[in-house]
Amino acid sequence: AQKVTQAQTEISVVEKEDVTLDCVYETRDTTYYLFWYKQPPSGELVFLIRRNSFDEQNEISGRYSWNFQKSTSSFNFTITASQVVDSAVYFCALSDSLNTDKLIFGTGTRLQVFP
Amino acid sequence: DTEVTQTPKHLVMGMTNKKSLKCEQHMGHRAMYWYKQKAKKPPELMFVYSYEKLSINESVPSRFSPECPNSSLLNLHLHALQPEDSALYLCASSRWLASEQYFGPGTRLTVT
Repeated sequence: AQKVTQAQTEISVVEKEDVTLDCVYETRDTTYYLFWYKQPPSGELVFLIRRNSFDEQNEISGRYSWNFQKSTSSFNFTITASQVVDSAVYFCALSDSLNTDKLIFGTGTRLQVFP
Repeated sequence: DTEVTQTPKHLVMGMTNKKSLKCEQHMGHRAMYWYKQKAKKPPELMFVYSYEKLSINESVPSRFSPECPNSSLLNLHLHALQPEDSALYLCASSRWLASEQYFGPGTRLTVT
């Protein structure tokens, strides 16, 4: 069965701190895709990244970076030098070849960045 | 442009009303989705349309009726809803199945 676990329900940091959001996934498929979405208080889910199972290169985009490790089935997300605008709920999600039209979401991690 | 628009932003309806939610995208995406999201929970998939055909119905009650008039539009018709149907309804689209989904801002629905 497919499953995404985000064990951190809520994280609070002070501005400029680095913070890592954990994501662990389960799938029996060898072809799958991992995603991160941000949901600010306004409610809209914002796409951040998509990674396929054959591409284990880590990705950096500005202050955001992602660490994909198949050996531990993890796809962690780090925000460097956090800012108040980073406050949001972050969802990790999975789709695989058996469920290409479905996103399996984790329960989300609420990040609060205080000034 | 990665914009998905949804109307209305807010909707309050009684249990005997009929209303519709609308979603539009002009990115040429071939898959469109309806999700329901309750507070402090992840989105739950309701329906998937692929090339304007319904490909997934996640056992959603018949009081929710989706419609895809063309490749850019997706509607969700609501009838005889219950208070527990109050939630944020999100529309999304993607180039094809398994590609990233782009979400609209949602319609916050309250059923009284």
